[in-house]
Amino acid sequence: GAVVSQHPSRVICKSGTSVKIECRSLDFQATTMFWYRQFPKKSLMLMATSNEGSKATYEQGVEKDKFLINHASLTLSTLTVTSAHPEDSSFYICSARVRQWEKLFFGSGTQLSVL
Amino acid sequence: GESVGLHLPTLSVQEGDNSIINCAYSNSASDYFIWYKQESGKGPQFIIDIRSNMDKRQGQRVTVLLNKTVKHLSLQIAATQPGDSAVYFCAENMAPNDYKLSFGAGTTVTVRA
Repeated sequence: GAVVSQHPSRVICKSGTSVKIECRSLDFQATTMFWYRQFPKKSLMLMATSNEGSKATYEQGVEKDKFLINHASLTLSTLTVTSAHPEDSSFYICSARVRQWEKLFFGSGTQLSVL
Repeated sequence: GESVGLHLPTLSVQEGDNSIINCAYSNSASDYFIWYKQESGKGPQFIIDIRSNMDKRQGQRVTVLLNKTVKHLSLQIAATQPGDSAVYFCAENMAPNDYKLSFGAGTTVTVRA
């Protein structure tokens, strides 16, 4: 079946550094990928929609300069948390739309901890 | 804010019993609904989906019911097993024919042996 691979699964970084999270579709081409953020014991909040070859569309309240999204190919989208601060610590999850199946599949998530 | 919400944050069920998880949504334009299961530290796992032109859909041990009149969605799990213990989220699309999802708050299901 379709698999969305997300790396790294866990990252700890110092405040002020940047962190890149990768989301790959392994068995299919994903024209659209979505990035979510989840706080402990909370629901998923959509951050942005990433379309291959075009700029990402950010949800209201999400800083596009803080959360850089690149979707350079049909199988890879990246989220870079720039100049990370402790308040950016969260669980980040990507999902990919499989057009021919009309389904969404999620990555395993990345736990970011900023010290 | 979230347009999808769950009635109960927690549900404790005896192993072997049936579970029913409820969800209310407010966006009458939504035409695609999904149930996800999330285990601790992992991403959401697709369980079952339903489109607005249906009111019931069955999978393996799971059934999703959609009542558009009262904007209500439910997930029924038959013969609940310990492995079913997780947080369950309902989600709806934010606009027709779209795949941007709005998630409910989640229900934590605990299966008692």
